[in-house]
Amino acid sequence: GAVVSQHPSWVICKSGTSVKIECRSLDFQATTMFWYRQFPKQSLMLMATSNEGSKATYEQGVEKDKFLINHASLTLSTLTVTSAHPEDSSFYICSAGRAGYEQYFGPGTRLTVT
Amino acid sequence: TQLLEQSPQFLSIQEGENLTVYCNSSSVFSSLQWYRQEPGEGPVLLVTVVTGGEVKKLKRLTFQFGDARKDSSLHITAAQPGDTGLYLCAGPANFGNEKLTFGTGTRLTIIP
Repeated sequence: GAVVSQHPSWVICKSGTSVKIECRSLDFQATTMFWYRQFPKQSLMLMATSNEGSKATYEQGVEKDKFLINHASLTLSTLTVTSAHPEDSSFYICSAGRAGYEQYFGPGTRLTVT
Repeated sequence: TQLLEQSPQFLSIQEGENLTVYCNSSSVFSSLQWYRQEPGEGPVLLVTVVTGGEVKKLKRLTFQFGDARKDSSLHITAAQPGDTGLYLCAGPANFGNEKLTFGTGTRLTIIP
């Protein structure tokens, strides 16, 4: 099956700093990548959809200036949490998909902001 | 916005027992997927159901898609500790859309 990786798997940063999370599709080209956020004991909430070479589409209530998404190639999307605050601490999960195929999920990145 | 409500929210049962998890919506979905997620990991796809009334079996797991395509169920027979995890249903946010809407989740614990 298709493999999606995320890096780092966990990160601790200080309040006010920025953190970049990478999502890579390892053995296929993803036309679309999705970024989700998951709080403890809760389900996944879609944050944004990114397509290679175009601007990401953000879900209602997600600050696009705070969560910067770049989809530079068909195998890489990055999520940068800018000026992180403790309330941004969460489990961030990406998925990669191709038209007509299922989405493949990454293993997630746990962000802790102190 | 299409919402998917799962029940129960939490379920803790003894090994060997049977259980059913439900996923309900007031909206029609073109398909529904079931995922299992373990702590600290991403969700793993178990099955996709597409046709109303469809039943799919995956070893001890039986998935059903409602006739009206508004609901689905997951039945586990003779549950094992390895079945422990967060079970999520999900469906396309809109017809033909790649975006997924996830259900509220059911956290299942199987006690040895």
